[in-house]
Amino acid sequence: DAKTTQPNSMESNEEEPVHLPCNHSTISGTDYIHWYRQLPSQGPEYVIHGLTSNVNNRMASLAIAEDRKSSTLILHRATLRDAAVYYCILRGLGGTSYGKLTFGQGTILTVHP
Amino acid sequence: GAGVSQSPSNKVTEKGKDVELRCDPISGHTALYWYRQSLGQGLEFLIYFQGNSAPDKSGLPSDRFSAERTGGSVSTLTIQRTQQEDSAVYLCASSLARQPNEKLFFGSGTQLSVL
Repeated sequence: DAKTTQPNSMESNEEEPVHLPCNHSTISGTDYIHWYRQLPSQGPEYVIHGLTSNVNNRMASLAIAEDRKSSTLILHRATLRDAAVYYCILRGLGGTSYGKLTFGQGTILTVHP
Repeated sequence: GAGVSQSPSNKVTEKGKDVELRCDPISGHTALYWYRQSLGQGLEFLIYFQGNSAPDKSGLPSDRFSAERTGGSVSTLTIQRTQQEDSAVYLCASSLARQPNEKLFFGSGTQLSVL
């Protein structure tokens, strides 16, 4: 399975932008890049996903490098409610990754008031 | 219901007892997944079902763990002869299909404590 690498933790101040990086140098052409987050004592929730082009939704933006070997999740204005563990996951068509999502350790985001 | 429902939310059992955990996926979702999360750890994949296909059981940690999905909807995860190391939050998720661009919707989980 193609793997992702994320920093263990990051910190931000409230109302500032946050850029969460993810490296996936072994990504295959059919792998989608998914981001989920897990708030304390809750199940993970979907944030955003993309294939090649940058994506925007009401929660965040996803910037994908031209070679697709890295991506960045952008929270435009962090709030205290954004404090969570953020997971970057590849989901593809083939191999053992087909169907299931394999979660790594993620990035713990701390937001300071 | 509007989301994935899991029951019970909390389960306390004694070592050696069997437990059943239930998951009601979102109506119409053909894919259903079970994960578990030990305290302070990441999510560990257990098993997933897709329609009428044979389930992917590659993540089940031992033969004490089994799961079934009846009628393509409700799923039950059974743990036989529970051990203390089985204590964790068991999370269920569903998705419309297993295509790589589909997103998963997670339930709130069942906190299992084995004494």
